[in-house]
Amino acid sequence: EVQLVESGGGLVQPGGSLKLSCAASGFTFSGSAMHWVRQASGKGLEWVGRIRSKTHNYATGYAASVKGRITLSRDDSKNTAYLQMNSLKTEDTAVYYCFSGDYWGRGTLVTVSS
Amino acid sequence: SYELTQPSSVSVSPGQTARITCSGDVLAKTYARWFQQKPGQAPVMMIYKDSERPSGIPERISGSSSGTTVTLTISGAQVDDEADYYCYSATDNNVLFGGGTRLTVL
Repeated sequence: EVQLVESGGGLVQPGGSLKLSCAASGFTFSGSAMHWVRQASGKGLEWVGRIRSKTHNYATGYAASVKGRITLSRDDSKNTAYLQMNSLKTEDTAVYYCFSGDYWGRGTLVTVSS
Repeated sequence: SYELTQPSSVSVSPGQTARITCSGDVLAKTYARWFQQKPGQAPVMMIYKDSERPSGIPERISGSSSGTTVTLTISGAQVDDEADYYCYSATDNNVLFGGGTRLTVL
């Protein structure tokens, strides 16, 4: 059974940082691109970024709305993907999902507020 | 243009056929997927490669493609099909979600 489990969300002040993790199981993590997608309350899905597999040199891509403020990484030995977010803004408040292209985690809530 | 456009809402009566479209130039070059999301839940893939169904998705759910438009068709719509539906496409340089369509069955 495929599982993606996000962790690391919480309340952070504007300008702060947070690192989310996504632990994967049940599929070949090392061969898969991993995406992060967020969803603000009552809004649609917004793609945040993608990190590709070793075969594709771990290439990353980011949405314009977060470029320069986030960094994606992965540890294939741990089947885990990471999202480092810096200089957080109130508009970054959302549920953050990791997404393999087929499967989704259940999400972790990030709230940016003073 | 690198965006995917969906109607914001579609409404059908139970037993009718619901069709949700997704348009974008990128769809002429790459496959689309469709995801269903119910309130408070993570999305679930319903269609991949424009028209393929993952295991466990009923045959009354189908997808099709024509040029720059893909369509999700739900035959014999049920109240349980009420949800938000998102199209998605990914290329080497672009990853896109449509804005989502709220399907109401009543």
